[in-house]
Amino acid sequence: GQNIDQPTEMTATEGAIVQINCTYQTSGFNGLFWYQQHAGEAPTFLSYNVLDGLEEKGRFSSFLSRSKGYSYLLLKELQMKDSASYLCAVRDPPRGNTPLVFGKGTRLSVIA
Amino acid sequence: GAVVSQHPSWVICKSGTSVKIECRSLDFQATTMFWYRQFPKQSLMLMATSNEGSKATYEQGVEKDKFLINHASLTLSTLTVTSAHPEDSSFYICSAKPTGVANEKLFFGSGTQLSVL
Repeated sequence: GQNIDQPTEMTATEGAIVQINCTYQTSGFNGLFWYQQHAGEAPTFLSYNVLDGLEEKGRFSSFLSRSKGYSYLLLKELQMKDSASYLCAVRDPPRGNTPLVFGKGTRLSVIA
Repeated sequence: GAVVSQHPSWVICKSGTSVKIECRSLDFQATTMFWYRQFPKQSLMLMATSNEGSKATYEQGVEKDKFLINHASLTLSTLTVTSAHPEDSSFYICSAKPTGVANEKLFFGSGTQLSVL
């Protein structure tokens, strides 16, 4: 089984930095995914971490600590269009053609 | 990147009717596709795993006789909501991973917003 936990809602100011945390407990582990989802649309892939450490991709960075069962998504230079839900997900069981299991998502509101 | 086509994008139907949703992988083969459901302001919940050439695997609490899944080819899976009721109104999303590619992310269809009156 798995348990994925992330904050329900966050608010941040345009131009600022925001960190969205995710903790997970899984029977196995084969990487952690972050997706962005705007209301009424399909999720879009942001990042995939399988090794510990920080991976940077433009304004977005993602961090993973496998020993702590912890990840975060860092969004820099926030823009209004970044207002969306951010979903943390793992593949469980961690092999082959298995589905992603999602956390409940963090709804981020970017305000002026 | 890989593309998953899902249609219709939205559908409004009367209670008691059936609705079919199609999910196609356009430029890759997918032995397995996944169907998710999402209620407003909630996360994606896995409904079932669709397996090409065999029966789908349903998650606990999902009625297999109500949500019929057919995966007739390596590029097409369909979800039929039979005798739909207002409580079935939701956002349905399919996803797929290219066959034989390890640790690849899932590619999602654009979703289908179902409203049952």
